[in-house]
Amino acid sequence: DTAVSQTPKYLVTQMGNDKSIKCEQNLGHDTMYWYKQDSKKFLKIMFSYNNKELIINETVPNRFSPKSPDKAHLNLHINSLELGDSAVYFCASSQFGTGEAGYTFGSGTRLTVV
Amino acid sequence: GESVGLHLPTLSVQEGDNSIINCAYSNSASDYFIWYKQESGKGPQFIIDIRSNMDKRQGQRVTVLLNKTVKHLSLQIAATQPGDSAVYFCAENDDAASKLTFGTGTRLQVTL
Repeated sequence: DTAVSQTPKYLVTQMGNDKSIKCEQNLGHDTMYWYKQDSKKFLKIMFSYNNKELIINETVPNRFSPKSPDKAHLNLHINSLELGDSAVYFCASSQFGTGEAGYTFGSGTRLTVV
Repeated sequence: GESVGLHLPTLSVQEGDNSIINCAYSNSASDYFIWYKQESGKGPQFIIDIRSNMDKRQGQRVTVLLNKTVKHLSLQIAATQPGDSAVYFCAENDDAASKLTFGTGTRLQVTL
C-alpha cells in the first residue's frame, strides 16, 4: 500500500477556477505538509498540520486553504487559480518531534493552469 | 533568510565511477541534515541523514560528510549506477518548527 497518496496526479485547469488536491497517509504520522516544487525543481514548504492543527503557513496567498479533517488527511484547496500556481505539489508526513528519517513524500500532483 | 543551497546544478559521471554532490547551508543552528533522491515523476525519497554531532555516516554505497566549520555537506555515491540518475537534494530539518528546508538540487546523470 502507498504510504502517502495524493490525487489527482495531474490537474489541468483554466485561470480563475477553483480546484482541490487530496492527500492521505497510512503511516500513523501526526504531522502532514504541503510542499510546492517549481519549474526549477526548488521545493518549498507551504503548510504543515500537526494533529489537525495548522502549525506552519509560509506566506502562502490566502487563495490556498488547507484542510485537515483528521490526522491522516490533508487536502489543499486553491481558489481563483493563477498561471503562477502551475507547479508540482507534494504532500508529506512525519511524526512530530522525531525528525529523523520521518518525512515521507507522496508522488506529487502536477498542476497546470492555462 | 536561512537557506540551504547546492553549488552544481548538473553532474555527469560514468557508470562505475564515484559521485560527489555538494551542499552548503547557512543556518549554523541546524542540527540535522538529510539527503533526498527524486526520480522523474516521483516524490523525494530518503537516502541518508546525519546529525550535527557526527561528521560522517555511511549507508549502502552512500556516505554523507558534514563539515560544520564551513557549513558544508556532501553526498558520496560509490560505483554509480544508471539507476542513480536523479535529482539530489540536501535538506535541513528544524525539529522545533517541524519543517524541512531544501537546497536547490543537483541533477546526477550517469553515462554508460
